[in-house]
Amino acid sequence: AQTVTQSQPEMSVQEAETVTLSCTYDTSESNYYLFWYKQPPSRQMILVIRQEAYKQQNATENRFSVNFQKAAKSFSLKISDSQLGDTAMYFCAFTNTGNQFYFGTGTSLTVIP
Amino acid sequence: NAGVTQTPKFQVLKTGQSMTLQCAQDMNHEYMSWYRQDPGMGLRLIHYSVGAGITDQGEVPNGYNVSRSTTEDFPLRLLSAAPSQTSVYFCASSYSGGISYEQYFGPGTRLTVT
Repeated sequence: AQTVTQSQPEMSVQEAETVTLSCTYDTSESNYYLFWYKQPPSRQMILVIRQEAYKQQNATENRFSVNFQKAAKSFSLKISDSQLGDTAMYFCAFTNTGNQFYFGTGTSLTVIP
Repeated sequence: NAGVTQTPKFQVLKTGQSMTLQCAQDMNHEYMSWYRQDPGMGLRLIHYSVGAGITDQGEVPNGYNVSRSTTEDFPLRLLSAAPSQTSVYFCASSYSGGISYEQYFGPGTRLTVT
């Protein structure tokens, strides 16, 4: 069975600073996909970034980047130049089949003005 | 495209009542899923479908039924609601042929069982 662990229930960061959210996972599969989703107070789930396990290069989307360490089964999210709109719950997710996804318990991020 | 739609947005049920949460998508996605979100527990998979006529259980299927008669629709049925089913429910869909399996989520249904 696959498991996803987010060990930081809550984090805060000053506006314009950088913050890193941690995620670890456990799987025996060699090919899989990892995701970070953002859930603002509106409750809508929004894809932030994704990483294919077969790609060694870390994914980047504007201010968001990941540090993917396959051997350590670690997938952290770095948010640069934090903005007030980044305040949200962030979920790490895993799939190897495309139809069964496993989510972490989430990290609540607050950006302080 | 409307994407993934869910109805209703809010619902209050009494213990023992039944109801159906509706989910529809207009992206021709083969894969559809139902999750429940509870505080401190993230999203947990209830049931999923890989195509019309094919469904399977996820991590927490007890108390829920699903069917998939068309590609577009994937309703979730609560046969006899219990307070433990108080939660926020999300429907999601994804394209099976995609290289990244990105899931698209509906806006969620907040269900309270008293």
